[in-house]
Amino acid sequence: DAKTTQPTSMDCAEGRAANLPCNHSTISGNEYVYWYRQIHSQGPQYIIHGLKNNETNEMASLIITEDRKSSTLILPHATLRDTAVYYCIVYTSGTYKYIFGTGTRLKVLA
Amino acid sequence: NAGVTQTPKFRVLKTGQSMTLLCAQDMNHEYMYWYRQDPGMGLRLIHYSVGEGTTAKGEVPDGYNVSRLKKQNFLLGLESAAPSQTSVYFCASSYLGQGGEAFFGQGTRLTVV
Repeated sequence: DAKTTQPTSMDCAEGRAANLPCNHSTISGNEYVYWYRQIHSQGPQYIIHGLKNNETNEMASLIITEDRKSSTLILPHATLRDTAVYYCIVYTSGTYKYIFGTGTRLKVLA
Repeated sequence: NAGVTQTPKFRVLKTGQSMTLLCAQDMNHEYMYWYRQDPGMGLRLIHYSVGEGTTAKGEVPDGYNVSRLKKQNFLLGLESAAPSQTSVYFCASSYLGQGGEAFFGQGTRLTVV
């Protein structure tokens, strides 16, 4: 399974864009990049996913480098409610399983 | 539409006792998963199922058994609980193995004393 590397923690000012990096240098061609977040001790919440192209939805944007070895999750206007642990996951096709790392603890500051 | 529901939400067990955690989903999803999360850690996959009647081991399967007799339910069993199994347990389901999001339950907080 491809492994991911994320910074342990980050701070972001409220209203500013939060850019969360993820390194997945061993990713294979058929593996997706997923992002989830966990607020307090709740169940993780899906944010976005992508294969090769950049993706955007109502919550965030996902920028994947051309070589697919890294990606960045962008929360365009962070709010206090975005304070959470953000997990970058490489989903391995055919294995049917999401393997979580330790994530990035994002703290949005007022 | 309740999504993914876990029962119970909290439980305290004595060492050696057994119990079953129930996960139910009403989204007709094929794939279901059980994770555990220890304090300050990420989620670790215990077992998963790709369809009714099928189960497979994840990263940390020892000490647990699972069953998927009905598509909507995924049961996690502890035959002889140990203090090392004190954790928060999350169940999840997804429609597609790839390209689809997973929906998580709210967790079961289990303490083994």
